[in-house]
Amino acid sequence: DTEVTQTPKHLVMGMTNKKSLKCEQHMGHRAMYWYKQKAKKPPELMFVYSYEKLSINESVPSRFSPECPNSSLLNLHLHALQPEDSALYLCASSQEGVSIYFGEGSWLTVV
Amino acid sequence: AQKVTQAQTEISVVEKEDVTLDCVYETRDTTYYLFWYKQPPSGELVFLIRRNSFDEQNEISGRYSWNFQKSTSSFNFTITASQVVDSAVYFCARGGFQKLVFGTGTRLLVSP
Repeated sequence: DTEVTQTPKHLVMGMTNKKSLKCEQHMGHRAMYWYKQKAKKPPELMFVYSYEKLSINESVPSRFSPECPNSSLLNLHLHALQPEDSALYLCASSQEGVSIYFGEGSWLTVV
Repeated sequence: AQKVTQAQTEISVVEKEDVTLDCVYETRDTTYYLFWYKQPPSGELVFLIRRNSFDEQNEISGRYSWNFQKSTSSFNFTITASQVVDSAVYFCARGGFQKLVFGTGTRLLVSP
Protein backbone atom coordinates (compact mmCIF):
# COMPACT_ATOMS: atom_id res chain seq x y z
CA ASP A 1 0.00 0.00 0.00
CA THR A 2 1.16 3.49 -0.83
CA GLU A 3 2.30 5.73 2.00
CA VAL A 4 1.24 8.82 0.10
CA THR A 5 -2.49 9.33 0.57
CA GLN A 6 -4.59 11.43 -1.76
CA THR A 7 -8.18 12.61 -1.38
CA PRO A 8 -10.60 12.60 -2.99
CA LYS A 9 -10.06 9.65 -5.27
CA HIS A 10 -12.57 11.05 -7.77
CA LEU A 11 -13.78 14.62 -8.23
CA VAL A 12 -16.25 16.09 -10.68
CA MET A 13 -16.44 19.87 -10.74
CA GLY A 14 -17.98 22.60 -12.82
CA MET A 15 -15.95 25.30 -14.46
CA THR A 16 -17.04 27.88 -11.90
CA ASN A 17 -16.40 25.72 -8.85
CA LYS A 18 -13.59 25.97 -6.33
CA LYS A 19 -12.28 22.67 -5.03
CA SER A 20 -9.11 21.26 -3.51
CA LEU A 21 -7.08 18.10 -3.82
CA LYS A 22 -5.29 16.93 -0.70
CA CYS A 23 -2.19 14.86 -0.18
CA GLU A 24 -0.58 13.53 2.97
CA GLN A 25 2.58 11.56 3.66
CA HIS A 26 3.99 10.31 6.95
CA MET A 27 7.36 9.09 5.74
CA GLY A 28 9.17 12.20 6.96
CA HIS A 29 9.95 13.23 3.41
CA ARG A 30 10.86 16.89 2.93
CA ALA A 31 9.94 17.26 -0.73
CA MET A 32 6.44 16.93 -2.13
CA TYR A 33 5.23 17.09 -5.72
CA TRP A 34 2.16 17.50 -7.90
CA TYR A 35 2.08 15.78 -11.28
CA LYS A 36 -0.64 15.85 -13.91
CA GLN A 37 -1.29 12.87 -16.18
CA LYS A 38 -3.55 12.90 -19.20
CA ALA A 39 -4.89 9.67 -20.66
CA LYS A 40 -2.27 7.54 -22.42
CA LYS A 41 0.48 10.04 -21.57
CA PRO A 42 3.28 10.04 -19.01
CA PRO A 43 3.00 12.17 -15.87
CA GLU A 44 4.08 15.80 -16.17
CA LEU A 45 5.56 17.73 -13.28
CA MET A 46 3.54 20.73 -12.06
CA PHE A 47 5.02 21.83 -8.74
CA VAL A 48 7.71 20.86 -6.23
CA TYR A 49 7.80 21.91 -2.60
CA SER A 50 11.05 21.48 -0.73
CA TYR A 51 11.09 22.07 3.01
CA GLU A 52 7.62 23.60 2.66
CA LYS A 53 8.74 26.19 0.14
CA LEU A 54 7.82 26.19 -3.53
CA SER A 55 11.00 25.27 -5.39
CA ILE A 56 9.72 24.39 -8.86
CA ASN A 57 6.71 25.71 -10.78
CA GLU A 58 6.60 24.33 -14.27
CA SER A 59 4.73 27.35 -15.69
CA VAL A 60 1.40 26.04 -14.50
CA PRO A 61 -1.67 28.29 -15.07
CA SER A 62 -2.75 30.28 -12.03
CA ARG A 63 -6.07 28.44 -11.87
CA PHE A 64 -3.98 25.77 -10.12
CA SER A 65 -2.72 27.00 -6.76
CA PRO A 66 -0.54 24.78 -4.57
CA GLU A 67 -0.24 25.07 -0.82
CA CYS A 68 2.02 23.30 1.64
CA PRO A 69 0.66 23.86 5.18
CA ASN A 70 3.33 21.66 6.78
CA SER A 71 5.90 19.05 5.89
CA SER A 72 3.31 16.26 5.71
CA LEU A 73 0.55 17.97 3.75
CA LEU A 74 0.23 19.29 0.24
CA ASN A 75 -2.90 20.79 -1.29
CA LEU A 76 -3.80 21.78 -4.81
CA HIS A 77 -6.52 24.42 -4.99
CA LEU A 78 -8.56 24.44 -8.17
CA HIS A 79 -10.57 27.37 -9.50
CA ALA A 80 -12.13 28.19 -12.85
CA LEU A 81 -10.80 25.05 -14.48
CA GLN A 82 -11.40 24.09 -18.09
CA PRO A 83 -12.57 20.72 -19.42
CA GLU A 84 -9.06 20.13 -20.79
CA ASP A 85 -7.80 20.13 -17.19
CA SER A 86 -9.54 16.82 -16.66
CA ALA A 87 -6.78 14.36 -15.78
CA LEU A 88 -5.26 12.19 -13.10
CA TYR A 89 -3.46 14.34 -10.53
CA LEU A 90 -0.67 12.53 -8.74
CA CYS A 91 0.96 13.60 -5.52
CA ALA A 92 4.41 12.33 -4.64
CA SER A 93 7.09 12.73 -2.03
CA SER A 94 10.79 12.08 -1.65
CA GLN A 95 13.41 12.32 1.03
CA GLU A 96 16.63 12.98 -0.83
CA GLY A 97 15.01 14.31 -3.98
CA VAL A 98 15.90 11.26 -6.04
CA SER A 99 13.57 8.35 -5.27
CA ILE A 100 10.06 9.73 -5.72
CA TYR A 101 7.08 7.83 -4.35
CA PHE A 102 3.60 8.44 -5.69
CA GLY A 103 0.12 8.27 -4.27
CA GLU A 104 -2.87 6.63 -5.92
CA GLY A 105 -3.93 9.82 -7.62
CA SER A 106 -7.09 11.89 -7.82
CA TRP A 107 -9.17 11.53 -10.96
CA LEU A 108 -10.51 14.96 -11.88
CA THR A 109 -13.30 15.61 -14.35
CA VAL A 110 -14.23 19.20 -15.24
CA VAL A 111 -17.68 19.60 -16.76
CA ALA B 1 15.62 17.76 -24.58
CA GLN B 2 17.07 14.71 -22.94
CA LYS B 3 14.51 12.10 -23.80
CA VAL B 4 13.57 8.69 -22.51
CA THR B 5 12.32 6.42 -25.27
CA GLN B 6 10.13 3.39 -24.81
CA ALA B 7 9.64 2.24 -28.36
CA GLN B 8 7.16 -0.51 -27.49
CA THR B 9 3.72 1.05 -27.14
CA GLU B 10 1.92 -2.16 -26.27
CA ILE B 11 2.97 -5.75 -25.72
CA SER B 12 0.61 -8.72 -25.41
CA VAL B 13 1.78 -12.02 -23.98
CA VAL B 14 0.23 -15.16 -22.60
CA GLU B 15 0.73 -16.02 -18.97
CA LYS B 16 4.05 -17.70 -18.14
CA GLU B 17 5.83 -16.10 -21.09
CA ASP B 18 8.91 -13.98 -20.43
CA VAL B 19 8.72 -10.39 -21.62
CA THR B 20 11.30 -7.60 -21.93
CA LEU B 21 10.41 -3.92 -21.90
CA ASP B 22 12.96 -1.68 -23.58
CA CYS B 23 14.12 1.73 -22.40
CA VAL B 24 16.68 3.99 -24.04
CA TYR B 25 17.63 7.32 -22.49
CA GLU B 26 19.55 10.44 -23.42
CA THR B 27 21.58 12.43 -20.95
CA ARG B 28 24.49 14.84 -20.83
CA ASP B 29 24.91 14.33 -17.08
CA THR B 30 27.63 12.16 -15.60
CA THR B 31 25.54 11.40 -12.54
CA TYR B 32 21.95 10.40 -13.04
CA TYR B 33 19.36 7.89 -11.92
CA LEU B 34 17.11 5.53 -13.79
CA PHE B 35 13.78 4.22 -12.62
CA TRP B 36 10.98 1.87 -13.53
CA TYR B 37 7.42 2.46 -12.35
CA LYS B 38 4.33 0.28 -12.77
CA GLN B 39 0.92 1.90 -13.24
CA PRO B 40 -2.07 -0.46 -12.95
CA PRO B 41 -5.52 0.73 -14.05
CA SER B 42 -6.19 2.11 -10.58
CA GLY B 43 -3.75 4.91 -11.35
CA GLU B 44 -1.09 4.65 -8.69
CA LEU B 45 2.51 4.80 -9.90
CA VAL B 46 4.31 2.00 -8.11
CA PHE B 47 8.06 2.44 -7.65
CA LEU B 48 9.90 -0.69 -8.83
CA ILE B 49 13.59 0.14 -8.98
CA ARG B 50 16.20 2.89 -8.95
CA ARG B 51 19.69 2.57 -10.41
CA ASN B 52 22.40 5.19 -10.35
CA SER B 53 24.73 5.83 -13.24
CA PHE B 54 27.76 4.44 -11.42
CA ASP B 55 26.26 1.05 -10.81
CA GLU B 56 25.93 -1.11 -13.90
CA GLN B 57 25.28 -4.30 -12.03
CA ASN B 58 22.19 -6.07 -13.21
CA GLU B 59 19.54 -6.63 -10.59
CA ILE B 60 17.05 -9.39 -9.96
CA SER B 61 14.06 -9.17 -7.65
CA GLY B 62 11.87 -12.24 -7.79
CA ARG B 63 10.44 -12.49 -11.31
CA TYR B 64 11.77 -9.02 -12.21
CA SER B 65 15.22 -8.28 -13.55
CA TRP B 66 16.87 -5.20 -14.94
CA ASN B 67 19.73 -4.87 -17.44
CA PHE B 68 21.56 -1.52 -17.33
CA GLN B 69 24.03 -0.91 -20.14
CA LYS B 70 25.66 2.49 -20.11
CA SER B 71 27.41 1.86 -23.44
CA THR B 72 24.06 1.70 -25.23
CA SER B 73 22.17 4.03 -22.84
CA SER B 74 19.65 1.33 -22.16
CA PHE B 75 17.88 0.14 -19.03
CA ASN B 76 15.70 -2.80 -19.97
CA PHE B 77 13.22 -4.59 -17.72
CA THR B 78 12.41 -8.30 -17.96
CA ILE B 79 9.50 -10.08 -16.33
CA THR B 80 9.98 -13.83 -16.13
CA ALA B 81 6.97 -16.15 -16.16
CA SER B 82 4.51 -13.29 -16.54
CA GLN B 83 1.22 -13.29 -14.67
CA VAL B 84 -2.13 -11.61 -15.30
CA VAL B 85 -1.43 -9.27 -12.36
CA ASP B 86 1.55 -7.90 -14.28
CA SER B 87 -0.85 -6.23 -16.71
CA ALA B 88 -0.21 -2.51 -16.40
CA VAL B 89 1.54 0.41 -18.04
CA TYR B 90 5.24 0.47 -17.25
CA PHE B 91 7.19 3.73 -17.30
CA CYS B 92 10.92 4.11 -17.49
CA ALA B 93 12.23 7.42 -16.17
CA ARG B 94 15.50 9.27 -15.86
CA GLY B 95 16.02 11.47 -12.83
CA GLY B 96 18.30 14.02 -11.32
CA PHE B 97 17.41 16.06 -8.30
CA GLN B 98 13.65 16.45 -7.86
CA LYS B 99 12.91 15.98 -11.55
CA LEU B 100 11.84 12.89 -13.41
CA VAL B 101 11.72 12.61 -17.17
CA PHE B 102 9.36 9.82 -18.11
CA GLY B 103 9.22 7.73 -21.21
CA THR B 104 5.88 7.38 -22.95
CA GLY B 105 5.18 4.05 -21.29
CA THR B 106 4.65 0.49 -22.47
CA ARG B 107 1.26 -1.12 -21.92
CA LEU B 108 1.68 -4.80 -21.03
CA LEU B 109 -1.30 -7.10 -21.43
CA VAL B 110 -0.94 -10.58 -19.96
CA SER B 111 -3.74 -12.93 -20.85
CA PRO B 112 -4.54 -16.21 -19.10
